[in-house]
Amino acid sequence: AQKITQTQPGMFVQEKEAVTLDCTYDTSDPSYGLFWYKQPSSGEMIFLIYQGSYDQQNATEGRYSLNFQKARKSANLVISASQLGDSAMYFCAMREVNRDDKIIFGKGTRLHILP
Amino acid sequence: EADIYQTPRYLVIGTGKKITLECSQTMGHDKMYWYQQDPGMELHLIHYSYGVNSTEKGDLSSESTVSRIRTEHFPLTLESARPSHTSQYLCASSDSSDGALGEKLFFGSGTQLSVL
Repeated sequence: AQKITQTQPGMFVQEKEAVTLDCTYDTSDPSYGLFWYKQPSSGEMIFLIYQGSYDQQNATEGRYSLNFQKARKSANLVISASQLGDSAMYFCAMREVNRDDKIIFGKGTRLHILP
Repeated sequence: EADIYQTPRYLVIGTGKKITLECSQTMGHDKMYWYQQDPGMELHLIHYSYGVNSTEKGDLSSESTVSRIRTEHFPLTLESARPSHTSQYLCASSDSSDGALGEKLFFGSGTQLSVL
């Protein structure tokens, strides 16, 4: 069964608009961490944002915020005021403490920002 | 900016050759990982190490092997390359002192391997 589900294979968004990338996860572990990474066409993986399962507030990092809905097991990434440079693959990932601390990734969403 | 380096960036090689993909980090991180990624697909963990002389297989079965003789170095070796090994290989490291949950991965630029 998929641990991390990203249901949007691709998205097209107009520049300057906000965009939400969906991510749901599956775990029975009470302690876990959720991450979002960006992968531009050059191939490197860039860390964007982190949310811990015990964090009370949604994480924010500049234009990135994580909409964490624990009961729904949802960790959507919100990018405000999108820019052309935001065009990339975006991966949601999870670490479960009781799973040897390994980070597992979703299938990703390819985001295209239109001028 | 993360200090983790992978070489070569691109490698095209014939079937049956032995290859080693290099990965080095200068951050003193104790944990290192190898992920395999096909184009446009998710990353699959193939090997990881929690310190010197520690290596474990990941969730995706791989014919490759790894070694961790020094903290900073985590090479991946394929004894006999095959076309099915064609993929991108990403090396990553993390620092366990960051705290178990929030410990994030720092990635290298990847090696794109093509086996003919």
